[in-house]
Amino acid sequence: DSGVTQTPKHLITATGQRVTLRCSPRSGDLSVYWYQQSLDQGLQFLIQYYNGEERAKGNILERFSAQQFPDLHSELNLSSLELGDSALYFCASSERDRAYEQYFGPGTRLTVT
Amino acid sequence: AQSVTQPDIHITVSEGASLELRCNYSYGATPYLFWYVQSPGQGLQLLLKYFSGDTLVQGIKGFEAEFKRSQSSFNLRKPSVHWSDAAEYFCAATRGAGGYNKLIFGAGTRLAVHP
Repeated sequence: DSGVTQTPKHLITATGQRVTLRCSPRSGDLSVYWYQQSLDQGLQFLIQYYNGEERAKGNILERFSAQQFPDLHSELNLSSLELGDSALYFCASSERDRAYEQYFGPGTRLTVT
Repeated sequence: AQSVTQPDIHITVSEGASLELRCNYSYGATPYLFWYVQSPGQGLQLLLKYFSGDTLVQGIKGFEAEFKRSQSSFNLRKPSVHWSDAAEYFCAATRGAGGYNKLIFGAGTRLAVHP
């Protein structure tokens, strides 16, 4: 158990819908990262937040957005969902901005039908 | 462009045999390197990491990895594989320049262990 929690574990929704994935980092960690794991793209970095501020963006679609709240939990919002958005979404956390060890949560499996 | 390559998609070994999983990286400078393991239905667990110094690093579960700058490689090894080691293994790297700490992952190597 890494100490990173993600909810829900599974999510099934229809095309065009919007969902919110939630992540709680390890106690004391200020950085949160979101990754997407899909069969065709593998594991890809989406976005990083540090202490409430966006720090870096990767291959994140405009339909996707994220935020980190004052209590340091983070949410990833996915809208106008398409079949191709079906994937495993991981959250990871690290102690601070330049800490390179990232600890991953169990993931949220999103299925878009 | 920065990249991490794992040449082997699938590897099958017998229980008790030795294991080596290959990883090559392409970066402008030596990145920080990691191996993660993903068991079915599970998240990613950090096995070991290399930042600098001793090129042979020890990790959890009896794994070790050797960094070879001349070959741009960071191969994962285990002297004797257990059935519980069956999983998918990911090599990852980050340069961390300017606070940009995204991990770049290889495609993964799926390990099967025969009894």
